[in-house]
Amino acid sequence: EPEVTQTPSHQVTQMGQEVILRCVPISNHLYFYWYRQILGQKVEFLVSFYNNEISEKSEIFDDQFSVERPDGSNFTLKIRSTKLEDSAMYFCASSEVGGVETQYFGPGTRLLVL
Amino acid sequence: AQTVTQSQPEMSVQEAETVTLSCTYDTSESDYYLFWYKQPPSRQMILVIRQEAYKQQNATENRFSVNFQKAAKSFSLKISDSQLGDAAMYFCAYRIADPGNQFYFGTGTSLTVIP
Repeated sequence: EPEVTQTPSHQVTQMGQEVILRCVPISNHLYFYWYRQILGQKVEFLVSFYNNEISEKSEIFDDQFSVERPDGSNFTLKIRSTKLEDSAMYFCASSEVGGVETQYFGPGTRLLVL
Repeated sequence: AQTVTQSQPEMSVQEAETVTLSCTYDTSESDYYLFWYKQPPSRQMILVIRQEAYKQQNATENRFSVNFQKAAKSFSLKISDSQLGDAAMYFCAYRIADPGNQFYFGTGTSLTVIP
């Protein structure tokens, strides 16, 4: 069964450094999402992406965040200058267009900012 | 504003018994979808069951079923014949029925299955 994959599974970085989190959505899906989950808290929406542009973003998704689909398969989340509070699990998700549009989640990247 | 509330941070059930996880939501929309996701210790969220708000019939997937009460804005998950593999964090989620719309998640219920 097709799955969303994410790399790396874990990332440790120094505060102020840039990180890029990578995702490979399910191949026939056209909507892509990033969510994050700070330890012990609820899963929070960051951004959705469709047709090569951001379709919706939350207040969390400020200027330090950006997303890109650099080729036909990858979907990336870049954090330009990481802060301690960016430490979280970051989940990528994708969905088909039409119908219930169930979102399928990747295994997540655990980001630790020191 | 859309909110999802799971009032039970932790639940436990004896193996082979039945457990119900509660979820309520707040919305002014009439057309939406509701989901239960399971997040085992490996951390990947897996879809358990989903419900379209326009459908009156409660969704069922094998041992998993929901009690969807639209007027009360309630969407509980019943797990029958609980198995050790059911132990996980369970998240209730809501989505407006517009294309590409975000999920709103509850805070989760941690389910322990006692052998």
